[in-house]
Amino acid sequence: KAGVTQTPRYLIKTRGQQVTLSCSPISGHRSVSWYQQTPGQGLQFLFEYFSETQRNKGNFPGRFSGRQFSNSRSEMNVSTLELGDSALYLCASSGQGIEKLFFGSGTQLSVL
Amino acid sequence: AQSVTQLGSHVSVSEGALVLLRCNYSSSVPPYLFWYVQYPNQGLQLLLKYTSAATLVKGINDFEAEFKKSETSFHLTKPSAHMSDAAEYFCAVSGQSNTGKLIFGQGTTLQVKP
Repeated sequence: KAGVTQTPRYLIKTRGQQVTLSCSPISGHRSVSWYQQTPGQGLQFLFEYFSETQRNKGNFPGRFSGRQFSNSRSEMNVSTLELGDSALYLCASSGQGIEKLFFGSGTQLSVL
Repeated sequence: AQSVTQLGSHVSVSEGALVLLRCNYSSSVPPYLFWYVQYPNQGLQLLLKYTSAATLVKGINDFEAEFKKSETSFHLTKPSAHMSDAAEYFCAVSGQSNTGKLIFGQGTTLQVKP
C-alpha cells in the first residue's frame, strides 16, 4: 500500500506570491491533516479535512487555506507569502482516527 | 485544552546506554499520547501510542513508554541506544479519538555517541 504522498518535495517562492501544496492520502483514508514545522515554533496543526469538509482548524491566519477533493486528495494554499512562512509542511492521513495517523515526507517551502 | 512539554531539547547518550526522553502533558480529558520519531529530511514515524489500555506501552525498535496519570508523564525509554536511534523525537497529545489534530511538544534531539 502506498504511503502518504506530498508534492512537490521542495519549493522556492518569493514574498507576496502564493503557493499550492498537494497531498495524496493512503488509499481508503478519508481524513487529511496539515501541519507546519519550523525550528522556532515546532510542529503546529493547520487544519483537518474529512470527507471534503473542514473538521478542525488551527490558529493560523486566513492566508492559509485548504480543500479536499472527492478522492480524498487535499491541497493547501498559502496566499501573499511572508518570509515567516518558510517551513516544512507535513500532511497526515487517517482512516481510523488519531490512533492511525500516517505522515508524508513533507514539502519544504522556502520564501525569499 | 491540551499541551505537551518535553524536558531537554537535546539529549546525548553513548551507544549501548539507556535512553530516557521526558514528556509531560496537560489534558482536561483522558488523553491519547504518542511518541513520533523524525529522521533528517523525512516525515514523522509513529513509535508508540497510549490509548487508555495498558499503561506500559511497547513500540517499535525496543522503545517503550509508561503512562503515569499521577505525574502526568509519558516518558520514552530504550534499554540500549543504537547509532541509528539518532533523530528528533516528538511527544504528542490529543483529547479526541476521531480527529487528525495532535498537539506536539517542541521535540528532543537524541545524539548517540560511539
